[in-house]
Amino acid sequence: EPEVTQTPSHQVTQMGQEVILRCVPISNHLYFYWYRQILGQKVEFLVSFYNNEISEKSEIFDDQFSVERPDGSNFTLKIRSTKLEDSAMYFCASSVRENTGELFFGEGSRLTVL
Amino acid sequence: KNEVEQSPQNLTAQEGEFITINCSYSVGISALHWLQQHPGGGIVSLFMLSSGKKKHGRLIATINIQEKHSSLHITASHPRDSAVYICAVRLYGQNFVFGPGTRLSVLP
Repeated sequence: EPEVTQTPSHQVTQMGQEVILRCVPISNHLYFYWYRQILGQKVEFLVSFYNNEISEKSEIFDDQFSVERPDGSNFTLKIRSTKLEDSAMYFCASSVRENTGELFFGEGSRLTVL
Repeated sequence: KNEVEQSPQNLTAQEGEFITINCSYSVGISALHWLQQHPGGGIVSLFMLSSGKKKHGRLIATINIQEKHSSLHITASHPRDSAVYICAVRLYGQNFVFGPGTRLSVLP
């Protein structure tokens, strides 16, 4: 069964360092998403991506964050100059259609900023 | 501001019991998703609804668009159903708002 894969599963970094989280969405999906879940809190929407550009982003997704699809398969989330409060689980998801498409989630990447 | 509320926050049931988890939201949406988050953190999509009712195995999800309310039912609950169940609404566009989750424990 096709699945969304994320790497790394866990990353520990020092405050101020840049981090890149990688995702491989399901191959025929067109819409890609990043979500964040701080420990013990709700899942939060960060950004959606379609046709090689950001289609929507939340207030959380400030200039510190960026996304790109550098090739036909990978979808990356870059966090520049990480802060302690960026420590969270980051989930990638994809769907084949927009408003009626089921979401398929990756297993998540846990980021710990020290 | 759209809020998504779930009840109950925590639920403990005995194996075999019928379980209902409720979700309410405050603005118009294009779809509602029920998600299951495993103890390890992974998230699985259970249902996507824009109207009516859907059934998959022992799980049933309903939505009432006029009342801005959805329910997730689990029949003949089993310890492997123990997880956090999350209601997430898709606003018009790509943005999602997630509920706080309902932590379910099913005891053998």
